Amino acid sequence: EVQVVESGGGLVQPGGSLRLSCAASGFSLSDYEMNWVRQAPGKGLEWVSYSSTSGGTMYYADSVKGRFTISRDNAKKSLYLQMSSLRVEDTAVYYCTGGGNWFDPWGQGTLVTVSS
Amino acid sequence: EIVMTQSPATLSVSPGERATLSCKASQSISSNLAWYQQKPGQAPRLLIFGASTRATGIPARFSGSGSGTEFTLTISSLQSEDFALYYCQQYNNWPPVTFGGGTKVEIK
Repeated sequence: EVQVVESGGGLVQPGGSLRLSCAASGFSLSDYEMNWVRQAPGKGLEWVSYSSTSGGTMYYADSVKGRFTISRDNAKKSLYLQMSSLRVEDTAVYYCTGGGNWFDPWGQGTLVTVSS
Repeated sequence: EIVMTQSPATLSVSPGERATLSCKASQSISSNLAWYQQKPGQAPRLLIFGASTRATGIPARFSGSGSGTEFTLTISSLQSEDFALYYCQQYNNWPPVTFGGGTKVEIK
């Protein structure tokens, strides 16, 4: 079964840092472009970041550019999102999802809460 | 950035009836549009890509149409499990990928 599972969310103070992980199973991560998409409480979906299959090309939403870094370790079948200088408005469920155009599969998400 | 606008925000439909959801792009996106379903507490699920191609395992009652700037998701006969939030997403001009604000399909 093709599956991705996120981890690493939690409560962090404004200005703090957090690293999210996404573990892939049932497929070869090196064959998949990958993304992070977030959803603030009660709000819609917002694309956050993209990684090419090799990790050599990365894109970011303007709202996180310069603060978030996407990376991957294909050998470990893992995708990461390093988040720094976190703001209250970064509070959301963060989803790991595969694909370079449409997104599939999706993980169950990990909640990041930025609050003092 | 391409802005995606979905309407209506909420659609009240009786089980067994047809539901028609609209998604409009601020500029032409050809057929580079996907639809997702999201139920409370769950991740989104891909329904449609390429504006009209059903994803694996998606029932035939879900159909997508349109091109350019106007798109429609039709659920031909609503089942109880279809009451959910639906999002459209463009991937014609990215980054950034952009999503619509969503349409909630609720029981009438």
